[in-house]
Amino acid sequence: AQSVTQLGSHVSVSEGALVLLRCNYSSSVPPYLFWYVQYPNQGLQLLLKYTSAATLVKGINGFEAEFKKSETSFHLTKPSAHMSDAAEYFCAVRRVSGTYKYIFGTGTRLKVLA
Amino acid sequence: ETGVTQTPRHLVMGMTNKKSLKCEQHLGHNAMYWYKQSAKKPLELMFVYSLEERVENNSVPSRFSPECPNSSHLFLHLHTLQPEDSALYLCASSQDTSGNTGELFFGEGSRLTVL
Repeated sequence: AQSVTQLGSHVSVSEGALVLLRCNYSSSVPPYLFWYVQYPNQGLQLLLKYTSAATLVKGINGFEAEFKKSETSFHLTKPSAHMSDAAEYFCAVRRVSGTYKYIFGTGTRLKVLA
Repeated sequence: ETGVTQTPRHLVMGMTNKKSLKCEQHLGHNAMYWYKQSAKKPLELMFVYSLEERVENNSVPSRFSPECPNSSHLFLHLHTLQPEDSALYLCASSQDTSGNTGELFFGEGSRLTVL
């Protein structure tokens, strides 16, 4: 069975500091992996996705994530946090084929301090 | 209009009311989804429609009734809800074909409050 674990329900960083949001997955086969962002009172927006091509994936707004099979991780990073990055971030996994089931993590709320 | 549009954005209803949530996607996708988002819980998949056929029904109570009249429209009919049904209901769509990664495109959600 697939699962996703996001370590840390709340993360605070100073403006300009490195952002690191952690995601570990469990899957019997290499999956597709996604990071979504949700701003207040809005739906989820795709930040980036891993689809078994390059292991380092670049997304929108300067975010990137690295797929590490040996660690079953897909952590999200951004070199320098901006106030506008304050939001909730969700990691999600789905099997490559044969299912419509996306498994979402419980989310990490990012706070950016001035 | 582009993307996925949900109406209404906010809905307050009593436990005996009947109301509906509407979702429309302008992306030409072939699959549509209803998710429930409650505080401190992972997103809960409720229903999935592929080419207007329901392919997933995640043990959702019968007081929630989905309808997909065509590939662009999805409804969630609500009746005799409970206060614990108060949540943000998110509609999403995807293009699920061979070789496509099928990422989800979400609407902005309908915030439901049941009194």
